Amino acid sequence: QKEVEQNSGPLSVPEGAIASLNCTYSDRGSQSFFWYRQYSGKSPELIMSIYSNGDKEDGRFTAQLNKASQYVSLLIRDSQPSDSATYLCAVNEAGYSTLTFGKGTMLLVSP
Amino acid sequence: DAGVIQSPRHEVTEMGQEVTLRCKPISGHNSLFWYRQTMMRGLELLIYFNNNVPIDDSGMPEDRFSAKMPNASFSTLKIQPSEPRDSAVYFCASTERGRGMVPLYSNQPQHFGDGTRLSIL
Repeated sequence: QKEVEQNSGPLSVPEGAIASLNCTYSDRGSQSFFWYRQYSGKSPELIMSIYSNGDKEDGRFTAQLNKASQYVSLLIRDSQPSDSATYLCAVNEAGYSTLTFGKGTMLLVSP
Repeated sequence: DAGVIQSPRHEVTEMGQEVTLRCKPISGHNSLFWYRQTMMRGLELLIYFNNNVPIDDSGMPEDRFSAKMPNASFSTLKIQPSEPRDSAVYFCASTERGRGMVPLYSNQPQHFGDGTRLSIL
């Protein structure tokens, strides 16, 4: 069974710090990786996608992928209180349209 | 562009009643997904459609749940009869056609609607 594992948290960081969120996955056939942000009572919102090994940067966000280690991470630089949310890691296996979601890591950024 | 539209936003009903949730995917997207989210189990895929055809319904919990997609712009998820343990947030998501060599699947991100918060008393 495909699994996506995340630390549930909460991960607490002070404002301005770097928040590092991690995710491991079990299926070596996985090819597409996504990070979603979900505020309490809201729907998941896509913030990053990554398809190849290495780093991908978008503003304050950097996604990192290491397929050999089956590991994907999200770095948030200059964390803001508005970044406080649950971050969901999602993985897509080659040949399938479905995503397997982790249960999410709650991030708390204190002013 | 309009995102995925779900209705109703909230539904409160008594056990045994029929519940129908509705979803309009993003125009041009050809895959549609129904999810259920609870604190205990997280986000679970119930069923997904590709080009209006159900592809995988293995996540549907039992026969009380059914889903249809009569056309590319509308889908329903029905629970009959409803039970208190069905209380959850139900999300619909859609994704565009894949850009790879095999058009039958998509490796593109899914875009979620605002969800329906369902409470069965």
